[in-house]
Amino acid sequence: EVQLVESGGALVEPGGSLRLSCAASGFIFSSQNMNWVRQAPGKGLEWVSYISGSGSVTVYADSVKGRFSISRDNAENSLYLQMNSLRDEDTAVYYCARGNGASWFYSWGQGTLVTVSS
Amino acid sequence: QAVVTQEPSLTVSPGGTVTLTCGSSTGAVTSGHYPYWFQQKPGQVPRTLIYDTSNKHSWTPARFSGSLLGGKGALTLSGAQPEDEAEYYCLLSYSGVVVFGGGTKLTVL
Repeated sequence: EVQLVESGGALVEPGGSLRLSCAASGFIFSSQNMNWVRQAPGKGLEWVSYISGSGSVTVYADSVKGRFSISRDNAENSLYLQMNSLRDEDTAVYYCARGNGASWFYSWGQGTLVTVSS
Repeated sequence: QAVVTQEPSLTVSPGGTVTLTCGSSTGAVTSGHYPYWFQQKPGQVPRTLIYDTSNKHSWTPARFSGSLLGGKGALTLSGAQPEDEAEYYCLLSYSGVVVFGGGTKLTVL
């Protein structure tokens, strides 16, 4: 069974840092591109970042560029999102999503909640 | 960054047909924007219905179809069911950077 399980969400003060993880199982992780997508409470979806299967290509939304860093450990079947200089507006549920073939968002994890507040 | 626009809300009668659209602030939406459509019900994780304009996943009900229509991406629901009431999001790609639309709240009533 394909699974994506996010973790690492927490309450953090503005200016703080957090690292999210996404544990993958049930598919060949290194072959699939991965994305992070977030959703603020009661709001719509916002794409955050993309990483290729090898990890050699990364892309970021303007809203997080320079503050967030996406990475992956294919030996550990894990995806990460390092979030620095967090702002109130980063408060959201963060989802990891995997690609499969031509579909960039084939399946989604259950999400992890990040709350940025003093 | 480009802005992707969707109707804030639409209503369809059970058994009826409705088309949701996805526009781009940069001009006409083309297949090169690889339009995606996602469905999200309250309290649930989004699921992908359509990718690359018109391709369906194995779980996508046959009553949903994707296309390009009048310079926009389009999601057509033919034969709406009560369980189709949900928020629908489109997504467009701009040379590797992807942008979600604001979502359309679809009511089946």
